[in-house]
Amino acid sequence: AQTVTQSQPEMSVQEAETVTLSCTYDTSESDYYLFWYKQPPSRQMILVIRQEAYKQQNATENRFSVNFQKAAKSFSLKISDSQLGDAAMYFCAYRSPNTGTASKLTFGTGTRLQVTL
Amino acid sequence: GAVVSQHPSRVICKSGTSVKIECRSLDFQATTMFWYRQFPKQSLMLMATSNEGSKATYEQGVEKDKFLINHASLTLSTLTVTSAHPEDSSFYICSARRTSNEQFFGPGTRLTVL
Repeated sequence: AQTVTQSQPEMSVQEAETVTLSCTYDTSESDYYLFWYKQPPSRQMILVIRQEAYKQQNATENRFSVNFQKAAKSFSLKISDSQLGDAAMYFCAYRSPNTGTASKLTFGTGTRLQVTL
Repeated sequence: GAVVSQHPSRVICKSGTSVKIECRSLDFQATTMFWYRQFPKQSLMLMATSNEGSKATYEQGVEKDKFLINHASLTLSTLTVTSAHPEDSSFYICSARRTSNEQFFGPGTRLTVL
């Protein structure tokens, strides 16, 4: 079974600075998807960024980018120019490329990000 | 982006009663729907996966007779917590996946069992 590990329960960053959240995973599959989700105090899960394992290029979405190291099974999230609205719980997630019920998201334990003035 | 709604957003019930939570995909047809449970300050734990018109697949340790899932159409799934007890109090989140493989989450339902 796949596992996702987030070793940082809490992180703090000053506004306008950059922070990196860590995520490692374990799988025997060669193709899969990786995600970062944000859960603000409202508890609505919001997709931040997505990476397909077959793509070598790291995904980027505005201020959010990932460092995907397939051999090391590492998938870190970098937030640049941090804003107060970035404060939230961040979950790393893995998904098999299979369709149907076999394809489900496996979440890490989450990292709580605080943004300070 | 696609929208998934949940109803109710909050529910308080007495121990022993049953509670139904609805999950709807508002602007797309969901091939698969998922139900998660989240305890305070913890991650999302998948309870079950369902496809329209077929029985749900429950994760290990989840009682299928206690957490009844009905996926009646491509836009509606319901979770019924039967004979609720205080330990069932939690935050329940549904998500829906469409054919493009994108998955969207509902806003969640907070269940409190007295």
